[in-house]
Amino acid sequence: ETGVTQTPRHLVMGMTNKKSLKCEQHLGHNAMYWYKQSAKKPLELMFVYNFKEQTENNSVPSRFSPECPNSSHLFLHLHTLQPEDSALYLCASSQFTSNPYEQYFGPGTRLTVT
Amino acid sequence: SQQGEEDPQALSIQEGENATMNCSYKTSINNLQWYRQNSGRGLVHLILIRSNEREKHSGRLRVTLDTSKKSSSLLITASRAADTASYFCAFMDSNYQLIWGAGTKLIIKP
Repeated sequence: ETGVTQTPRHLVMGMTNKKSLKCEQHLGHNAMYWYKQSAKKPLELMFVYNFKEQTENNSVPSRFSPECPNSSHLFLHLHTLQPEDSALYLCASSQFTSNPYEQYFGPGTRLTVT
Repeated sequence: SQQGEEDPQALSIQEGENATMNCSYKTSINNLQWYRQNSGRGLVHLILIRSNEREKHSGRLRVTLDTSKKSSSLLITASRAADTASYFCAFMDSNYQLIWGAGTKLIIKP
């Protein structure tokens, strides 16, 4: 297990629900990331936060809303999702100032939208 | 497309054999990294090779980088059942963003 935790590990939600994914890193890093992983496709970077400031938003639909209250916590708020949003959502962190290269991943949240 | 491309998509070998996976990219890179993912879990960083390096070793792992061909390979020697996983290459561009390949699924048969 890594120093990055994610909850819940599995989530089933209807298209009209609102839910949130939580990520916490215990590594003292200053950058956090949300990725979407769909079967047989490359990881898609969704959001990047450096020093709690959002620096990347790769054309992610507004039904995904990130929140980074501090450098250790990252949330992904979900509302009115579509079935094609079903995927594994991965959180990662890195120490951007000293070593922006290596990212540490959490175990992911398996999301199913019904 | 900016994404990395990996081949093969899947590889099945006998325990003890060597496994080789390849990755290609299209832009200039800062470094190239390899990660492993066990079924349905997070990714684990394996090894990083910088753009000015040609070869790097870590235990049973050997990574090569050919910037003229924009390609890299990961060799796992003397494979074990525990090496069964998906392996992903990711290259870091000049904006420190990681661009990922779709992965190679490796199965080690006992």
